[in-house]
Amino acid sequence: GQNIDQPTEMTATEGAIVQINCTYQTSGFNGLFWYQQHAGEAPTFLSYNVLDGLEEKGRFSSFLSRSKGYSYLLLKELQMKDSASYLCAVSLASGAGSYQLTFGKGTKLSVIP
Amino acid sequence: DAEITQSPRHKITETGRQVTLACHQTWNHNNMFWYRQDLGHGLRLIHYSYGVQDTNKGEVSDGYSVSRSNTEDLPLTLESAASSQTSVYFCASSDYGRDTQYFGPGTRLTVL
Repeated sequence: GQNIDQPTEMTATEGAIVQINCTYQTSGFNGLFWYQQHAGEAPTFLSYNVLDGLEEKGRFSSFLSRSKGYSYLLLKELQMKDSASYLCAVSLASGAGSYQLTFGKGTKLSVIP
Repeated sequence: DAEITQSPRHKITETGRQVTLACHQTWNHNNMFWYRQDLGHGLRLIHYSYGVQDTNKGEVSDGYSVSRSNTEDLPLTLESAASSQTSVYFCASSDYGRDTQYFGPGTRLTVL
């Protein structure tokens, strides 16, 4: 089976940096996704890591260690609009060039002034 | 612009009724997925399809069915709605050989 863990809630101050961790235990791992989901809206793609290391995209960065089953999402210069849930998802190969995503329960981030 | 849409956006029904939720994508994606999202559980996979006439059960498929007669649509049917199926339902799609999924806006279903 698959097991994906991330903190349920976090609070951070506007302008600060926050790191959201995700650990996973899966078989058939292909890569790791982070999605952002504002309340009442659909999840939207943020980042994808398939190799070990850091991927940077503007204020957001994502890190992956395949050997440790560990990832984090780093948000810099926090803005009020970053208040949302952040979903960690593992991509699993299911054959014939197709993949499934298994999601963690999400981390609700609240940014306060 | 290519997109993925769901209808209806909100639905209230009664226990025992059959309900069908629509999902339509114009990206010509091979793969389509249905999830439900509940507090404390996150997104859970209900059914998925890797092409026309292909359907597969996900983690929480009991009480749900899907059919794929064309590339663009994957309707989700609740055969006999139960209160436990009150949830927000998301449809998603991905291209062949790609694992990035793109989500529709969701349908909030209430079963009374």
